[in-house]
Amino acid sequence: AQSVAQPEDQVNVAEGNPLTVKCTYSVSGNPYLFWYVQYPNRGLQFLLKYITGDNLVKGSYGFEAEFNKSQTSFHLKKPSALVSDSALYFCAVSGDSNYQLIWGAGTKLIIKP
Amino acid sequence: KAGVTQTPRYLIKTRGQQVTLSCSPISGHRSVSWYQQTPGQGLQFLFEYFSETQRNKGNFPGRFSGRQFSNSRSEMNVSTLELGDSALYLCASSQGGGKNTDTQYFGPGTRLTVL
Repeated sequence: AQSVAQPEDQVNVAEGNPLTVKCTYSVSGNPYLFWYVQYPNRGLQFLLKYITGDNLVKGSYGFEAEFNKSQTSFHLKKPSALVSDSALYFCAVSGDSNYQLIWGAGTKLIIKP
Repeated sequence: KAGVTQTPRYLIKTRGQQVTLSCSPISGHRSVSWYQQTPGQGLQFLFEYFSETQRNKGNFPGRFSGRQFSNSRSEMNVSTLELGDSALYLCASSQGGGKNTDTQYFGPGTRLTVL
């Protein structure tokens, strides 16, 4: 069965420090991986996606994610966190045999001044 | 391009009533997906429409239904509302060419409260 896991319900980071939001996946065939962010009372905003090619993907707002096939992970990273990065982050995956996106449970990111 | 729009933004209904939510996709997008988001269950897939046909369906009861019009606009309907239907309903559009690499773009959501 295909699945996505975001092992941390919440991540706390001090402003200016690097941040990582973790995501691991299980899918048949090639994975296609996505990160979205949701601010309070808003819809989800697309950050970045991995389809193929370079394992390091750069996205919006200074975020990047690294695809690691051997560890089946796609962690979201940012070198220097901002208070405005505080939000709910979702990882999602689709695969060769499954068109529909499978969503993680979300990770709440809190950046403290 | 204008983004995905959803109307209304907020709704308050009572148990037993029915409700219709509307979604207008990004111009040129042919696929519309609907999701239910609740604090306890996270993001749950309801269904996806492409070219006026339901292409995928999640695990929700028959009280939840949808349709898509020839201009790609979509509506979802919930009949016989229950308290547990209180949620944020999100609509997402994508180009919908059948590629599993398509990016979905979300609307702001409709907040439904059932009393």
